[in-house]
Amino acid sequence: DAKTTQPPSMDCAEGRAANLPCNHSTISGNEYVYWYRQIHSQGPQYIIHGLKNNETNEMASLIITEDRKSSTLILPHATLRDTAVYYCIVRDRYGQNFVFGPGTRLSVLP
Amino acid sequence: SQTIHQWPATLVQPVGSPLSLECTVEGTSNPNLYWYRQAAGRGLQLLFYSVGIGQISSEVPQNLSASRPQDRQFILSSKKLLLSDSGFYLCAWRADSSYNEQFFGPGTRLTVL
Repeated sequence: DAKTTQPPSMDCAEGRAANLPCNHSTISGNEYVYWYRQIHSQGPQYIIHGLKNNETNEMASLIITEDRKSSTLILPHATLRDTAVYYCIVRDRYGQNFVFGPGTRLSVLP
Repeated sequence: SQTIHQWPATLVQPVGSPLSLECTVEGTSNPNLYWYRQAAGRGLQLLFYSVGIGQISSEVPQNLSASRPQDRQFILSSKKLLLSDSGFYLCAWRADSSYNEQFFGPGTRLTVL
């Protein structure tokens, strides 16, 4: 599975959009991009995933560049409850292992 | 809807004692099941996964073992705990399909003293 690179931490003002970047320059054609988040002392929570088209659900939007070498998770109106560590994961559709790196610690500030 | 349960939520055990953590899933059949461990301030490490009853794959050799006695039950065990076994243990499930996401349980925080 391709490796991902994320900034270790980011701040965002409450009510503003939070844009979390992820680099996955070695991604291959059959690998999906997944996003999870983990609030302190809880299990990771699935957010969204995509292959090459942009995706949107009730939680977030996922923007994948045309060359698929990077993506951005967008939380349109961040709240204090969105403070968490956000993980970007690239995985082959047949793979069993979700490799969680250190992620990005997002702090939403009042 | 599907739910995943883990117990206990927290556990403090002495070095050398045995361990048994249980995970059960409701509302789905033939799920893929996973055990992860997260050390303090670190990412998740996959320990074991299972694609069916009695089928266990180990990702990391260590003094832990896993068993799947029933379709929706996954157990993590150890005969003798080490200090390094302390951590946050997470069970996850995935529908038996190709690209589905994994869903995680609430976790068990294990402290070995």
